[in-house]
Amino acid sequence: EIVMTQSPATLSVSPGERATLSCRASQSVSSNLAWYQQKPGQAPRLLIYGASTRATGIPARFSGSGSGTEFTLTISSLQSEDFAVYYCQHGLFFGGGTKVEIK
Amino acid sequence: EVQLVETGGGLIQPGGSLRLSCAASGFTVSSNYMSWVRQAPGKGLEWVSVIYSGGSTYYADSVKGRFTISRDNSKNTLYLQMNSLRAEDTAVYYCARDEGAAMGYDYWGQGTLVTVSS
Repeated sequence: EIVMTQSPATLSVSPGERATLSCRASQSVSSNLAWYQQKPGQAPRLLIYGASTRATGIPARFSGSGSGTEFTLTISSLQSEDFAVYYCQHGLFFGGGTKVEIK
Repeated sequence: EVQLVETGGGLIQPGGSLRLSCAASGFTVSSNYMSWVRQAPGKGLEWVSVIYSGGSTYYADSVKGRFTISRDNSKNTLYLQMNSLRAEDTAVYYCARDEGAAMGYDYWGQGTLVTVSS
């Protein structure tokens, strides 16, 4: 079993600021990592796959980086619609999520 | 346009059974990996089960022996048969197209709520 650990659990950010979310895998997952955004009452939406490739229709302010065990999702300039919960995922395993809230 | 629509959720007593359906359009279920993922109220995402294009199936330990994933190719529909339901199975259940470890779950349904309670 691979454990995916996300930090922080909650991130308070002002609109227009940069947000940096972290995800750590308990063993190497190469670049096989995805990020999702979930808003209340909605299904998750794929943002990033292959650690750094944006999914179709995802704005360029979302970027992913990392490989092996350490990964980062960066939102360069937070918009109002970006306040949500973000999950990382490898295979069958999801991280616990990071809630990005308005500061 | 790819679309996934889940149905079949509801309130069920402990020990009961329920079958969830996920009707797909815009792609062929049998040509893809398809998964069920659930989310307990206020909690994170938990993978439940997958069926591969070749027909192999796998389950989370928490549901093994109680849940069965299947598909009907003629209806382009995915199913999750849930037996011996427990309170801890209460969750929103999503079906998702699984593009594998390298590419993630690219399409999700809207989810269907299963509540197990007496």
